[in-house]
Amino acid sequence: EMQLVESGGGLVQPGGSLRLSCVASEFTFSNYWMHWVRQAPGKGLIWVSRIKSDGSNTDYADSVKGRFTVARDNAKNTLYLQMNSLRADDSAVYYCVRVGGRTHAFDIWGQGTTVTVSS
Amino acid sequence: DIQMTQSPSSLSASVGDRVTITCRTSQSISNYLNWYQHKPGEAPKLLIFDASSLQSGVPSRFSGSGSGTDFTLTISSLQPEDFATYYCQQSYSPLWTFGQGTKVEIK
Repeated sequence: EMQLVESGGGLVQPGGSLRLSCVASEFTFSNYWMHWVRQAPGKGLIWVSRIKSDGSNTDYADSVKGRFTVARDNAKNTLYLQMNSLRADDSAVYYCVRVGGRTHAFDIWGQGTTVTVSS
Repeated sequence: DIQMTQSPSSLSASVGDRVTITCRTSQSISNYLNWYQHKPGEAPKLLIFDASSLQSGVPSRFSGSGSGTDFTLTISSLQPEDFATYYCQQSYSPLWTFGQGTKVEIK
């Protein structure tokens, strides 16, 4: 079964850093654009970032630009999100998502990892 | 950024009802519009891609329509398992965006 499994979430103080990881299995990871999406408690889904299949192109939501960095290691089938200068409003469940090959949509989602920014 | 306006933000409906959710974008996005279902504690699920294409495995009571700036998700006959929050999402611009969500509750 094609799967995405996130890790790395936890409690961090404001201004701190955290790196999320997402390991893909049962599909050719290097063929797909990958994204991060988050959901703050009681709020809706928010798009965060994306990275091209070969890692050559990245984009970010205005709210995280300059603080977050998306990267990937295709040899390890792993997607990363480096989060720096974290703020309370970055607290959320972070989902790793795949863009389908024949769609322009998120066809596979991870189970999510929770980030809490609090002192 | 492309702004998404979903309506209504919530609705109450009964099993068997026909339900329609609309999504409007701040600029034309052709048919680069997707719909997702999200239940608490679960990962969101893709229902409709490219405005009107049904994702594999999704029941045919779900349908999507529209192009340009105005889009619709329709559930032809609401089932108990359909009570959830629904999101539209555009994939036209480099910065993808979601609508604010529509919570479908039991009447």
